[in-house]
Amino acid sequence: GAVVSQHPSRVICKSGTSVKIECRSLDFQATTMFWYRQFPKQSLMLMATSNEGSKATYEQGVEKDKFLINHASLTLSTLTVTSAHPEDSSFYICSARDAGAGYGYTFGSGTRLTVV
Amino acid sequence: QQQVKQSPQSLIVQKGGISIINCAYENTAFDYFPWYQQFPGKGPALLIAIRPDVSEKKEGRFTISFNKSAKQFSLHIMDSQPGDSATYFCAASKAAGNKLTFGGGTRVLVKP
Repeated sequence: GAVVSQHPSRVICKSGTSVKIECRSLDFQATTMFWYRQFPKQSLMLMATSNEGSKATYEQGVEKDKFLINHASLTLSTLTVTSAHPEDSSFYICSARDAGAGYGYTFGSGTRLTVV
Repeated sequence: QQQVKQSPQSLIVQKGGISIINCAYENTAFDYFPWYQQFPGKGPALLIAIRPDVSEKKEGRFTISFNKSAKQFSLHIMDSQPGDSATYFCAASKAAGNKLTFGGGTRVLVKP
């Protein structure tokens, strides 16, 4: 089945630094990838939708200059958290759909970001 | 506005019992209704999904029941096992490739 590889699984960074999270679709081409944020014991909150070769579409309330999304190829999308602060500590998850497999969305394994 | 409402927030069931989770949606344009299972520290994994043209779908111990007129759908986990202890999310989307709207999640604990 479709696999989305997400790295790193965990990252700790100092306040004020930037962190990049990568998501790769391993066996399919993902024209669209979705980025979510999840706080403990809460649901997934969609942050943005990235489309290959174009600018990402951000959900209301998400700072596009803080959460930079790049989708340069059909198999790779990246989320960069810039000038991270402790309140950015969260679980970040990407998702993509294999258009050839119907409606199903495949999720990455998530990245636990801790800003100290 | 919460477009997909999920209940209960948590559920405790004995091994071998039935776990039932309910979701209600508001947007009649939704046409894809998946259920996801998530273990701590992991991404969600698709369990089972249904389209509005069928009222029930079963895969192994998991069954989705769908009521289009009531705008409700539910997940039944039969013969619940301790390994089923996880958080379950319902979701909905309109048309292929569009973003998913998630319910609030249900934490299920199956006691041995």
